[in-house]
Amino acid sequence: DTGVSQDPRHKITKRGQNVTFRCDPISEHNRLYWYRQTLGQGPEFLTYFQNEAQLEKSRLLSDRFSAERPKGSFSTLEIQRTEQGDSAMYLCASSYQGYEQFFGPGTRLTVL
Amino acid sequence: QKEVEQNSGPLSVPEGAIASLNCTYSDRGSQSFFWYRQYSGKSPELIMSIYSNGDKEDGRFTAQLNKASQYVSLLIRDSQPSDSATYLCAVDFGNEKLTFGTGTRLTIIP
Repeated sequence: DTGVSQDPRHKITKRGQNVTFRCDPISEHNRLYWYRQTLGQGPEFLTYFQNEAQLEKSRLLSDRFSAERPKGSFSTLEIQRTEQGDSAMYLCASSYQGYEQFFGPGTRLTVL
Repeated sequence: QKEVEQNSGPLSVPEGAIASLNCTYSDRGSQSFFWYRQYSGKSPELIMSIYSNGDKEDGRFTAQLNKASQYVSLLIRDSQPSDSATYLCAVDFGNEKLTFGTGTRLTIIP
């Protein structure tokens, strides 16, 4: 399968714990995006990378959120001190040079 | 404020009929427009992209773009029960990221 992959697919955690998600983009894609989607809403942009450089972060991304793409390949999204409001589907997408974005299966986070 | 508006539905269409989904956006200078299909509990799947005024056809799907009216639509011909899903309109406002509408829930009635 050469599509975008995400791990884990589901994560249940207790409030205050840290969680980390991984995304592996389509191999030839140089751009990688993170979005968050809550029930009944469209995905909301969080951040994106071109190669290893993080080029933009949304105001939605509080100081508790950090994302990396150390070698320009896979990316991680970490949430520190999780809150119940962080419960959502976290989606990763990739593209070549900002053209069509293809999404991975998502990581569903539940914060108890 | 860059915004994308969609009627949330639900939109019910008989099997075999044409489903018409509409989307408006706030910035006349926008260049790139996309339709995604999302089944319940799944991630968005790209089904159409359109960049210039007019129609673009791909199988049973036709995307229509009118930049002057800031309007993009998706037509699904010969609707099938498997087309039942939420359809998300997304716009790149030239800021390197997608802004999504809230989606239109489509139900195809057998």
